[in-house]
Amino acid sequence: EAQVTQNPRYLITVTGKKLTVTCSQNMNHEYMSWYRQDPGLGLRQIYYSMNVEATDKGDVPEGYKVSRKEKRNFPLILESPSPNQTSLYFCASSPFGDFGNTIYFGEGSWLTVV
Amino acid sequence: AQSVTQLGSHVSVSEGALVLLRCNYSSSVPPYLFWYVQYPNQGLQLLLKYTSAATLVKGINGFEAEFKKSETSFHLTKPSAHMSDAAEYFCAVSDRSASKIIFGSGTRLSIRP
Repeated sequence: EAQVTQNPRYLITVTGKKLTVTCSQNMNHEYMSWYRQDPGLGLRQIYYSMNVEATDKGDVPEGYKVSRKEKRNFPLILESPSPNQTSLYFCASSPFGDFGNTIYFGEGSWLTVV
Repeated sequence: AQSVTQLGSHVSVSEGALVLLRCNYSSSVPPYLFWYVQYPNQGLQLLLKYTSAATLVKGINGFEAEFKKSETSFHLTKPSAHMSDAAEYFCAVSDRSASKIIFGSGTRLSIRP
């Protein structure tokens, strides 16, 4: 079954404690991306990756890092989380290039920073 | 730059009534347009997409949308609402040269019995 898997699904953490949200896809997609969803703002792109070792900033990259060492994995790293990073996070993947292709989303990760 | 505007953050209709969710886009090149649905505690699921073929696009669960270039619109409709349609709906735009898809702010659809 085609899947984008995120972990953890729910996390409460404290300000400044580094955390990583993992993302893995089993569809051999080149393109992967991270979004955050906040009420009234829709989904905003944090970072994206067109292929292994190719990452770039989206619209709201501040406070986040990513890496793409393997095609299937695209972890999101919060080096020093702050309360304004409390949000619902989605990982997504898609075949490379033509954005007429469908984007597949993970089920989301609820992150609360206190 | 591309952008998407969804009119109405919350729409409420009676069961069996017409559903109309509005979306207007801005794009300097021919766009790809999408509607995604998000059920509670789930990720986004593609409802339908326009990729420059037929302007009337049919999707899953009885939804359809019409691409109107002159109005820069891509409104989502369903003739008869079901209780199971209650969810949040996102309109989105991208193009061949873009490395990302731009989402609207979402419209929450409620269905009254």
